[in-house]
Amino acid sequence: GEDVEQSLFLSVREGDSSVINCTYTDSSSTYLYWYKQEPGAGLQLLTYIFSNMDMKQDQRLTVLLNKKDKHLSLRIADTQTGDSAIYFCAESPGNTDKLIFGTGTRLQVFP
Amino acid sequence: ETGVTQTPRHLVMGMTNKKSLKCEQHLGHNAMYWYKQSAKKPLELMFVYNFKEQTENNSVPSRFSPECPNSSHLFLHLHTLQPEDSALYLCASSQTSGGADTQYFGPGTRLTVL
Repeated sequence: GEDVEQSLFLSVREGDSSVINCTYTDSSSTYLYWYKQEPGAGLQLLTYIFSNMDMKQDQRLTVLLNKKDKHLSLRIADTQTGDSAIYFCAESPGNTDKLIFGTGTRLQVFP
Repeated sequence: ETGVTQTPRHLVMGMTNKKSLKCEQHLGHNAMYWYKQSAKKPLELMFVYNFKEQTENNSVPSRFSPECPNSSHLFLHLHTLQPEDSALYLCASSQTSGGADTQYFGPGTRLTVL
């Protein structure tokens, strides 16, 4: 079946690194995504990784993909208070219209 | 205006009301989507339109009626809703709906059904 799981909460100190983890079940997923949702706003695409890659770096963001374990992580370096939001992992199974989202991880950054 | 816009941003309606949500994309995309986001639940896909044709209805109750008059506009018509339909309704668009195209989301409409 299709299932994407994330832990619900993460709390980090400003300036530290944050690591948000995600596991997914569909090995046919071509792309895996990270979205950010700030309070009162819609989803914002942060980054995505193609399934034949194991790492992608974009400024402060690093995505790691372990396809064997179906594990995806998002690392935010030098976390700032503006990074406080809910982060959603999503998979795109096979050649379908669907994006399957996790429940989201609420990241709280404290000074 | 750029990206994906949704109106209204907030809507409060009674169970007997009829209202519509509007989504417009300015990205030249051909696929549009409606999602429902409820508290503590994963985002749920409701409908998919590709080149104005509905390609997916994810077992959505008939009190939700989508309409896609052209590739840039998507509506969600609401009637006789229930309180459990209160949620954030997100619209998204992508180049096509083949799964490999990144979806871009609007800000959502926060719906409260009394």
